[in-house]
Amino acid sequence: EDQVTQSPEALRLQEGESSSLNCSYTVSGLRGLFWYRQDPGKGPEFLFTLYSAGEEKEKERLKATLTKKESFLHITAPKPEDSATYLCAVQAYSGAGSYQLTFGKGTKLSVIP
Amino acid sequence: KAGVTQTPRYLIKTRGQQVTLSCSPISGHRSVSWYQQTPGQGLQFLFEYFSETQRNKGNFPGRFSGRQFSNSRSEMNVSTLELGDSALYLCASSDTNYGYTFGSGTRLTVV
Repeated sequence: EDQVTQSPEALRLQEGESSSLNCSYTVSGLRGLFWYRQDPGKGPEFLFTLYSAGEEKEKERLKATLTKKESFLHITAPKPEDSATYLCAVQAYSGAGSYQLTFGKGTKLSVIP
Repeated sequence: KAGVTQTPRYLIKTRGQQVTLSCSPISGHRSVSWYQQTPGQGLQFLFEYFSETQRNKGNFPGRFSGRQFSNSRSEMNVSTLELGDSALYLCASSDTNYGYTFGSGTRLTVV
């Protein structure tokens, strides 16, 4: 059974204080690892997809990295508008031409001005 | 390009009733997946439809069902509602299984 564990569950940062969120996973046949951002009452918003160990992607203050067992979302000099829940999901083949996403429970990030 | 549209946004139902939720995917996307999100369990996969056929189903009771129409719009139905069915129901559309775009969800409250 595919499993995704995110840590910490919650993180409070001062504005400008860089940190990292962790996503560890066990999956049979990883096809991709996704990072999403979710604001309260809204659907997840796509951030990154990583496909192979060693891959890195960046977008503004965010940088995602991938190893064989975990992924990190690095946040550099965060701003209050970066406050949200960050979700990690692994994609694996589930048969009949279908790929399924398994999500972690998320890290709730609060950035204090 | 319009995003994924879910209707209604909010719904209040009584235990024992049934409910139907709707999802219109991004134009051209043929795959629609449904997820249930609760504070305790996070996002859990319900089922996926592709070209009007269910090709994957999560570990939910048979009270949860869905269908997809020829225009790729999808509906999910929950019969005999229970208090524990209160959740945010999210739909995601995909064209290649490489990327998933989520709608804003339907907040279902069962009283």
